[in-house]
Amino acid sequence: GEDVEQSLFLSVREGDSSVINCTYTDSSSTYLYWYKQEPGAGLQLLTYIFSNMDMKQDQRLTVLLNKKDKHLSLRIADTQTGDSAIYFCAESMGDDKIIFGKGTRLHILP
Amino acid sequence: DAGVTQSPTHLIKTRGQQVTLRCSPKSGHDTVSWYQQALGQGPQFIFQYYEEEERQRGNFPDRFSGHQFPNYSSELNVNALLLGDSALYLCASSLLTAYGYTFGSGTRLTVV
Repeated sequence: GEDVEQSLFLSVREGDSSVINCTYTDSSSTYLYWYKQEPGAGLQLLTYIFSNMDMKQDQRLTVLLNKKDKHLSLRIADTQTGDSAIYFCAESMGDDKIIFGKGTRLHILP
Repeated sequence: DAGVTQSPTHLIKTRGQQVTLRCSPKSGHDTVSWYQQALGQGPQFIFQYYEEEERQRGNFPDRFSGHQFPNYSSELNVNALLLGDSALYLCASSLLTAYGYTFGSGTRLTVV
């Protein structure tokens, strides 16, 4: 079946690194994504990784993929107050529907 | 270049009524997908339209229907509204032959 699991909450001090974890069940997924949603807003694609990659870095964001364990993580370096949002892990097979997790609410402590 | 545009932004309807939500895709995109996001949940796939046909459908009842027009814009219709249909409805557009979804800001539907 298709399922994406992620923890619901994470609190991090400003300036520290945030690590949001996710597990997925569909081994045939081609793309794995991280989306950000701020209050009252739609979804913003932060980054994505192809299933044949292990890691992708984009400025403060680092995505790690362990395909064997079906585990995806998002690391945000030097977390800022503007990073406070809900982060969704998601998977798809390209032009297929996207399966989302329930989202991790990231709270930044001063 | 405008991204995905959805209208209206907010809507309040009564149980049993019908509602139509609209989506204009990003310029150059030919595929439109609709998602329902209930409060505190991740978005759930409703259906996807390409070449004016429903290409894929998620686990939603027939009360949910859609349409895609020749200019690629799309409508989502929900009949016989239930309280549980209250949610943020998100439209995403893409080019079928290439990766890349762009989401709109959504329509928040409240059913009372």
